[in-house]
Order: sequence, then structure tokens, then C-alpha cells
Amino acid sequence: NAGVMQNPRHLVRRRGQEARLRCSPMKGHSHVYWYRQLPEEGLKFMVYLQKENIIDESGMPKERFSAEFPKEGPSILRIQQVVRGDSAAYFCASSPSDEQPQHFGDGTRLSIL
Amino acid sequence: QKEVEQNSGPLSVPEGAIASLNCTYSDRGSQSFFWYRQYSGKSPELIMFIYSNGDKEDGRFTAQLNKASQYVSLLIRDSQPSDSATYLCAVKSFNKFYFGSGTKLNVKP
Repeated sequence: NAGVMQNPRHLVRRRGQEARLRCSPMKGHSHVYWYRQLPEEGLKFMVYLQKENIIDESGMPKERFSAEFPKEGPSILRIQQVVRGDSAAYFCASSPSDEQPQHFGDGTRLSIL
Repeated sequence: QKEVEQNSGPLSVPEGAIASLNCTYSDRGSQSFFWYRQYSGKSPELIMFIYSNGDKEDGRFTAQLNKASQYVSLLIRDSQPSDSATYLCAVKSFNKFYFGSGTKLNVKP
């Protein structure tokens, strides 16, 4: 039973480019969460999605960031016109319901040159 | 005020001792409480979750919840060097999960 799958594991972008981070939840999980983590800091909530719906995006910057979880395929976190400050580890987590614990993927380490 | 507060540590304990990790939260309406372990450069791994006041035990781990004091703790008995990691407390409030910054635990052989 595969866990939460994130890809790529590492992503390097130049300033101004777009970054696309993918997350396939565990089988049977329809709730997806995205978090950002800077070195030596805790996880910062970004967005909570269910299939085809954004439930809560209050942690996501209003500009340049967007997320989706289509009916088919993985959840995508998209960062347009990346800047140095976007460098971080981005973790995706999934759960079968909003009451049950989340399980995390291995994360995508985003580096901006 | 942060939603979830943890002492950043490091907390150092000798091998075989009990490690006690503490967490306080600000939202009295919080419903669910979780402890995750995160090794350096790795993803968080769920250790325990607790929903009701009192203690919940799983192997060497015991989670304790006191909603009146807005306090949740994790006890690790017979600590091992492999327990050395950062422990994240997470609290669910409405749709959001709030994570503390984590407590770094060092278990010395």
C-alpha cells in the first residue's frame, strides 16, 4: 500500500520561473493538505483540498501560489514567478477524512537560484 | 500568540530514561491532537493521536491530554538513541491543523 507520493523530490528553478509540485495521496484518502517548512522551523499550513474543491487556502500567499486537486490525477501546488524566498521544503499530507490523522509524503525540496 | 507552543529544546536525556515533551495550544475549541516525529531532512511521521482527556498508551509512548489546561504531552519511556529527532505537536481546530515548531530530543548513549 503506497504512501503519499510527492514528486519531484528536488526541484531547482531560476527566479521568475514556475514551479509545479505534485502529490498523490494514499489510496482511499480524499483530503490533501500542503505545508511549507523552512530549515529549523515548524510546518506552516498552506491549503486544504478535497477532490475538486479548495476547503481552506488561508495559509497560502494571495499572489503567485495556487493549488488544485482534480477529479483525476494528483494534487498540484503551483508557484508562479518564483523568488528566492520560496526556497523551502514543501510537504503534502493526506487523510481519509478531516477527523483522522494525516500522513505525510517525503516532500519536495525547492531551491531557487 | 502562536496557536501551538513547544519548547524548542534541545532536550537531552540519557538512554533508558523517560523523555517528557510538552505542548500548549491557544484554541479552547481544538478537537484533535497529534504527535509527529521528524528526523533531520525527512518528513514528519505520525506517532500518536489523542482526542479525549486522559492518557493514551502505545508501546513506549504515552500521550496525555488536559483540555482544561490546554496542554498535551508525550512521554517516551526507555528512551533510545534512535528516538533522537524533532517532535512536532499538531492541533486540529476546525479545518486547519496547526503545528508547533517542534522540540529537539537528544538521547545520549
